[in-house]
Amino acid sequence: GQQVMQIPQYQHVQEGEDFTTYCNSSTTLSNIQWYKQRPGGHPVFLIQLVKSGEVKKQKRLTFQFGEAKKNSSLHITATQTTDVGTYFCAGYNDYKLSFGAGTTVTVRA
Amino acid sequence: DAGVIQSPRHEVTEMGQEVTLRCKPISGHDYLFWYRQTMMRGLELLIYFNNNVPIDDSGMPEDRFSAKMPNASFSTLKIQPSEPRDSAVYFCASSYSGGAGEQFFGPGTRLTVL
Repeated sequence: GQQVMQIPQYQHVQEGEDFTTYCNSSTTLSNIQWYKQRPGGHPVFLIQLVKSGEVKKQKRLTFQFGEAKKNSSLHITATQTTDVGTYFCAGYNDYKLSFGAGTTVTVRA
Repeated sequence: DAGVIQSPRHEVTEMGQEVTLRCKPISGHDYLFWYRQTMMRGLELLIYFNNNVPIDDSGMPEDRFSAKMPNASFSTLKIQPSEPRDSAVYFCASSYSGGAGEQFFGPGTRLTVL
């Protein structure tokens, strides 16, 4: 079945630095979604990518969908303490949305 | 809109007891999802409904788990009998486009089975 792998599992970042989290699917995806879950909270939708090679930006966050529609990345610049949390990618295909294991981000002030 | 509402927020019960979790989706959303989140297994889809009809329950762990959606504004997830390994956070989510679009998650129910 469809599997979505996400790396790294943990990311410890110095405030002000950049980092990237990666998502890979075993199958071609119709779309990919990204969610953020704050500690003790629930997943909150960030963005959806649909087109091959699509790039979308939300302030300091840049999301990219691979050309083959099997991988995606989230790049955060100038990390802030408000970026703390777990970032999940979720790949949609064949009427099913599969979540990756998430990248848990901690920030050193 | 109040968003997806779940109750209770916390539930502590003893092994063997019946547990019922409740969810009220966002009005107008045709899809409702039940997820389970644990450290070991991450976020797992248990079952989802479209227009109150269960579409895919392949994620339901075993016969001890059952879910119903009697109307468009209410769903339940029942575990009977509960076991310690059922301890997890259970999320309900709703959407108007199935898995193809944004899902709105409720605050979750943290279940502890002793």
